[in-house]
Order: sequence, then structure tokens, then C-alpha cells
Amino acid sequence: GEDVEQSLFLSVREGDSSVINCTYTDSSSTYLYWYKQEPGAGLQLLTYIFSNMDMKQDQRLTVLLNKKDKHLSLRIADTQTGDSAIYFCAESPIGGTSYGKLTFGQGTILTVHP
Amino acid sequence: GAVVSQHPSRVICKSGTSVKIECRSLDFQATTMFWYRQFPKKSLMLMATSNEGSKATYEQGVEKDKFLINHASLTLSTLTVTSAHPEDSSFYICSACRDRVNEQFFGPGTRLTVL
Repeated sequence: GEDVEQSLFLSVREGDSSVINCTYTDSSSTYLYWYKQEPGAGLQLLTYIFSNMDMKQDQRLTVLLNKKDKHLSLRIADTQTGDSAIYFCAESPIGGTSYGKLTFGQGTILTVHP
Repeated sequence: GAVVSQHPSRVICKSGTSVKIECRSLDFQATTMFWYRQFPKKSLMLMATSNEGSKATYEQGVEKDKFLINHASLTLSTLTVTSAHPEDSSFYICSACRDRVNEQFFGPGTRLTVL
């Protein structure tokens, strides 16, 4: 089945940029997502990209997709202490019996230091 | 818009009892809802897909008689953990699809502790 892998930890200083990386294995057309989870809470959708796109930017967030390497990254510019959370990469195939089902990575714990 | 609630947010129960968790889409209709389970410091594992008016589709390894799912209306899905045991203790999260299945909105989660 599909597999999504992420680095587990990232620590940055306030004001710096954060880059969270993710790799996936699904070779079909797919949506790729970034979710944020704060302690004890559900998941907040940050952004998503279709697998035929290279880049998507939304305010401080930039998503880059390398289709050849199946590598996805999330860049957070001017990282703030409020950005400290767990960030999940997820993928969902388009069509087929698994349509709409999300496969999540392990999550990257982002810690932002003042 | 696109708010999903869960109730209760936290429940502690004795081993052998059943617990019902509700997932509601507050400001939209959701034909499809998903139930996930999250272990401490782990990722989310999809348990089942809940479709309004039909039987839920369970993922491999998830016992359908243990985790009963009912999607009675376009705004409500329920997960009942039957005869709960300590190993069922976990964080249960639901999501609801608004317009397109590729856009899921998550509830805040329910922390279940079975003593």
C-alpha cells in the first residue's frame, strides 16, 4: 500500500524559516496535504497540492513538490512560537477504491525557540 | 464555515462498558465521514469510512463488531466502542467531507481512557 515518511523532529529559532520534508510512494494521481495538530486537538488543514503541480504558496506557507523523487516540502517563513505543533503530511489518491482515504506520515514535531 | 465537532472531548470508562462518540458537521452536510485512531506520539490510522444511509467500510484489521459506526444523517456519525478494554484507550478523531472528498475537515478529537 501507500507509504508516507517524514522526519520526526525540527527545531528552529523564532523568525527563521522552517522546512518540513515528506516522501511518498503512491505513483498515481494524488492530492498531497499538510495538516497542523496542536496538543490535544484535532487536525487543521494548512494547504494541499495536486500531484501535477510543482509549487503552491499561501501567505507564509510554500509547498514544493518534486514529482520525480516523490518529495514534498512545507516551508514556513518567519516562523513564530505559535507555529510549534506537529505537522502531518498526507496523501489521498484520486479515483479508485481508495478515493478520499488519507494516508498520513508519522508527523514532524516542530519546536520554535524564542 | 466547515466546522466539525466531537462529543465528548474526553471520556473515562470501566472495562467492559460501551462508549459512544459523536461526530457532527455543524455548518455543512457531509455525505462521507471518516474515523481515525491516534496512538500517543503516533500518526493517525484510518479505521473506517462512514457513508450516510449505508454501512460503514472498515479498514483491514479493524473489528466492525467492536467499533460500531452509524451515519444516520448528513450531519452526524457515531462511533461506539463496545465492551471497551484498556487497549482501546486512544485518541479518536473524525473528519467530514464537505463538497469534495479531497477536502476533509477534522473534529477536535475524543480522548478515551478505559480503566
